[in-house]
Amino acid sequence: SQTIHQWPATLVQPVGSPLSLECTVEGTSNPNLYWYRQAAGRGLQLLFYSIGIDQISSEVPQNLSASRPQDRQFILSSKKLLLSDSGFYLCAWTEDRATEAFFGQGTRLTVV
Amino acid sequence: QKEVEQDPGPLSVPEGAIVSLNCTYSNSAFQYFMWYRQYSRKGPELLMYTYSSGNKEDGRFTAQVDKSSKYISLFIRDSQPSDSATYLCAMGKSNTGKLIFGQGTTLQVKP
Repeated sequence: SQTIHQWPATLVQPVGSPLSLECTVEGTSNPNLYWYRQAAGRGLQLLFYSIGIDQISSEVPQNLSASRPQDRQFILSSKKLLLSDSGFYLCAWTEDRATEAFFGQGTRLTVV
Repeated sequence: QKEVEQDPGPLSVPEGAIVSLNCTYSNSAFQYFMWYRQYSRKGPELLMYTYSSGNKEDGRFTAQVDKSSKYISLFIRDSQPSDSATYLCAMGKSNTGKLIFGQGTTLQVKP
């Protein structure tokens, strides 16, 4: 069966520090991968999605970037964090373009 | 206007009640629809997925889609305290794979 791992679960970082969040999917090949951010009491906002290695699309201009170094690995990064980057970050995968999305357990990032 | 509108609640019901959660959308290009349940500080968990208008039932949960009215619903029968969570509707277009989410409805089922 397929599983998705996301870490760390919680992160507190100072303003101006770098960020690296990692997500890996097991049990499938060539998944579509996504990074979402959820602000408190709000729905999910799509940040990046990838349909393959070196194929990453950004949805929202921001202080973040994404990379996919391996087929089943998706990384969210920032060179310098801003206070506004605080939030709950979720990684997700789909098998194809019109199928169910499955989420990791999320990373709660607090920038102080 | 947001593409997807969902009443944020909170919604509080007694145990055993029937719960109705709803979303409306404005983009007729949406072709598939999902409902997720999210417990506090956890990732969303898929409850229901449907591609067509009509009803889909899974245990105590029924998803209803009305594409002509651009309206989807999730019904929970015999609600339990363990159903207390935030429920998110999501929808997508088949040519992109990207989902648009409602803001979520917080449900509390009281024993």
